[in-house]
This record gives sequence, structure tokens and C-alpha cells, in this order.
Amino acid sequence: GNSVTQMEGPVTLSEEAFLTINCTYTATGYPSLFWYVQYPGEGLQLLLKATKADDKGSNKGFEATYRKETTSFHLEKGSVQVSDSAVYFCALSDTGTASKLTFGTGTRLQVTL
Amino acid sequence: GAVVSQHPSRVICKSGTSVKIECRSLDFQATTMFWYRQFPKQSLMLMATSNEGSKATYEQGVEKDKFLINHASLTLSTLTVTSAHPEDSSFYICSAGTASGDTDTQYFGPGTRLTVL
Repeated sequence: GNSVTQMEGPVTLSEEAFLTINCTYTATGYPSLFWYVQYPGEGLQLLLKATKADDKGSNKGFEATYRKETTSFHLEKGSVQVSDSAVYFCALSDTGTASKLTFGTGTRLQVTL
Repeated sequence: GAVVSQHPSRVICKSGTSVKIECRSLDFQATTMFWYRQFPKQSLMLMATSNEGSKATYEQGVEKDKFLINHASLTLSTLTVTSAHPEDSSFYICSAGTASGDTDTQYFGPGTRLTVL
């Protein structure tokens, strides 16, 4: 079955530090890959996505590249801000239409001044 | 665009009562809606998938008679927790997918926190 593995948190960084949150997946076929962000007290928001190998999703300074050869979709940001403090979820769906999402366990990011 | 709302945002009820949670897609037609449950500091667990006008498909281990799901229109799905008990206290989240436009993305509601006393 499908599965998503994320690095355990929390990840604590100083403002303007470089961020990497690792995500690897197991799936049959060619899944779409997603990063969702959950700010404190709020619901999940789609941060970025990639639908095929070598695609790069990007939004708000965050990037992730769909690497089929390593089955990875690591999230990166060059310079984090305090406002980026949130929980980040990596997820996949295994068809081209909105279908069942498989989530990772989430990684909490804390950014301090 | 692609906004999903949930109502109520918080609900507290007594053990043994039933609670209904609504999920609405405000500016698009949601052909498929999903209900998740999120425990503190854990990931989302899919409870069921529903398509408009048909019965919901429940994930293994989810009691269909306890968590009643109705998807009567393309903009509304409801989850009713029947005879709620304290162990049902959780954060319930719905999401919606569309058959047009961005078809491979789910749009999430803000969640409903249920506390059963």
C-alpha cells in the first residue's frame, strides 16, 4: 500500500536559516505529491504540489522537487521566517483526480528570532 | 477560490447525544468529499469518502453506524457522530475535490473540534 515517511520534529530554526524537511514515499504507479501546511488553530492549506517526475512545486519561497529515482519530495526554503512556524504534512494521491490522500505524520517547525 | 467551510467550528456535547457537522464547498461543486479525524500531534486519518448522491465508503475500522455521512448535494456533506462518547472527542476535518479545474487537489475545511463530556 501507499505510505509517506517524514522526518520527525520538531524542527527548531533561527529566522533566516535554511529549511529542509525530508519526505519519502512508497506508492504504485505515478502518484501526485503534495505539501500541506497547518498553522496553529487553523485547517490544512495546500502549500505546493507536483504531479509528475522532475516537476518542481513552489509557493511562498518553499520548493519541492518530485524525485522518482529516490522516491522523495523534500521541502526546502532558503530563509525561514517566524511566520513559517507551523506543522507541515507531506502527502500523496495515487490517481490524477482528487482521491484518497495518504499523509505523513507531519513535522512541526518552530522558527525563533 | 476553492473555499471549504465547516460548521460548527467547536462543539461540546454530553455523552450519548448526537452531533452533526456540516461541510460546504462555497465556490465550487464538490463531486467528492472526504472526512478525516486528527488526534493531537498526529496526522490525519481518513474516515470515509463520499460521492454526491451515493453511499459513503468507509475506511477499515471506522463504524459506519456511528459516523453517518450524507452527501446530498454537490456543495454539502454532513457527518453525524451518533451516541457520542468521550473517546470520540477529536478534531474532525472535511475536504472536497472537484471534477473540473484542478482535479488532483483536495481543499480542506478549517476543522471542527468536538469535545464529548
